[in-house]
Amino acid sequence: QSALTQPPSASGSPGQSVTISCTGTSSDVGGYNYVSWYQQYPGRAPKLMIYDVTKRPSGVPDRFSGSKSGNTASLTVSGLQAEDEADYYCSSYAGSNTHVVFGGGTKLTVL
Amino acid sequence: EVQLVESGGGLVQPGGSLRLSCAVSGFTFRSYWMSWVRQAPGKGLEWVGNIKQDGSEKYYVASVKGRFTISRDNAKNSLYLQLNSLRVEDTAVYYCVRDVGVVAWDYWGQGTLITVSS
Repeated sequence: QSALTQPPSASGSPGQSVTISCTGTSSDVGGYNYVSWYQQYPGRAPKLMIYDVTKRPSGVPDRFSGSKSGNTASLTVSGLQAEDEADYYCSSYAGSNTHVVFGGGTKLTVL
Repeated sequence: EVQLVESGGGLVQPGGSLRLSCAVSGFTFRSYWMSWVRQAPGKGLEWVGNIKQDGSEKYYVASVKGRFTISRDNAKNSLYLQLNSLRVEDTAVYYCVRDVGVVAWDYWGQGTLITVSS
């Protein structure tokens, strides 16, 4: 069982917006502004989409945005495109003992 | 072009050992923390551990402490993962990744599969 809780699936139609949640505790998501989101296509390595809760690496479309409220972080994909269909994982810093925790992943389907 | 190329995976029996290597090019390797992240077949991601630029600090997930060792050779632009006392549950694709922040890994290798089975 993953330390962070993500919905197993999410979906939306092209052009719509979808938000994926990532719920942790005050010891991880709620305690630090170190949440990242990764996109992974089947058989491929993950790709960094968001880090430090809200920051986008260069090259990542601004359709992808991150936020956090309390112990829950969120990834919003606006203007859904077919190429956004993938698995998405959140991760958070969890202090000097545990270091890193991940969510179980969310499969995003573009209808 | 940044490249991370892992090697050394394969089939190993429970209790056995393996050493993974990651050859890096396209950036100043000695300037970055590096990590290993694994993914069991059909499962999610799990951070294995990381190592500071000069190798002076290393951190591991609890499940591999005392069994796995991360090292690096900055002269050879290479990262290593020594895996001992392997268990069936260590079966996974192991990725070499570059740290650009806390829980932020911007470059990933293609991964190498380790299968622990008798």
